[in-house]
Amino acid sequence: QVQLQESGPGLVKPSGTLSLTCAVSGASISSNNWWNWVRQAPGKGLEWIGEIHHSGTTTYNPSLKSRVTISVDRSKNQFSLKLTSGTAADTAVYYCARVAQLLGEYYFDYWGQGTLVTVSS
Amino acid sequence: QSVLTQPPSASGAPGQRVSISCSGRSSNIGTNSVNWYQQLPGTAPKLLIYSNNQRPSGVPDRFSGSKSGTSASLAISGLQSEDEADYYCAAWESDSLIGWVFGGGTKLTVL
Repeated sequence: QVQLQESGPGLVKPSGTLSLTCAVSGASISSNNWWNWVRQAPGKGLEWIGEIHHSGTTTYNPSLKSRVTISVDRSKNQFSLKLTSGTAADTAVYYCARVAQLLGEYYFDYWGQGTLVTVSS
Repeated sequence: QSVLTQPPSASGAPGQRVSISCSGRSSNIGTNSVNWYQQLPGTAPKLLIYSNNQRPSGVPDRFSGSKSGTSASLAISGLQSEDEADYYCAAWESDSLIGWVFGGGTKLTVL
């Protein structure tokens, strides 16, 4: 069974950097899937942040692109998110998720449980 | 404001059939498949429908999806109390805003 688990600080100071890691078990991060970050502000909908392929290819949400870096560590079977210049608007539950590919179709099939990150002094 | 448009709420009595719409444009739903996710309170989203109308293993056949042009729809028949949740549609955006886009979510209430 594929499992994803987010980890990282739950509190970030304004203007600071939000750093999260997603540990993957039950699947190889080097498989032909895309590894994503999605966030959900309190009481709001889902917002896609970006994704990475094990080859290192990344795609970011244009609205966050200038502040986001997603990287992969194949030796640890995990991938990470860095979001710089944090503001209160970045307070959200952050999910890591896998996008699977099947016969040319793509979809989020596995999600982590989510971790709440609060940006506050 | 979300790229994909969903009604904020929907409701139905147990046993009834409800439908949730998702409207987009040619560069997302018009070009790519639509997926649907169910989010129970306090939990992560769960894949409900992929490739417009395909159900993953374990999803009851009470859930069905369809797509026509730049709109998609999720139907739930034989409504049950455990179906009370938030539902999100998603599609890949092929235009300048390249990436995944979600609907704003629909909160389903079982009366």
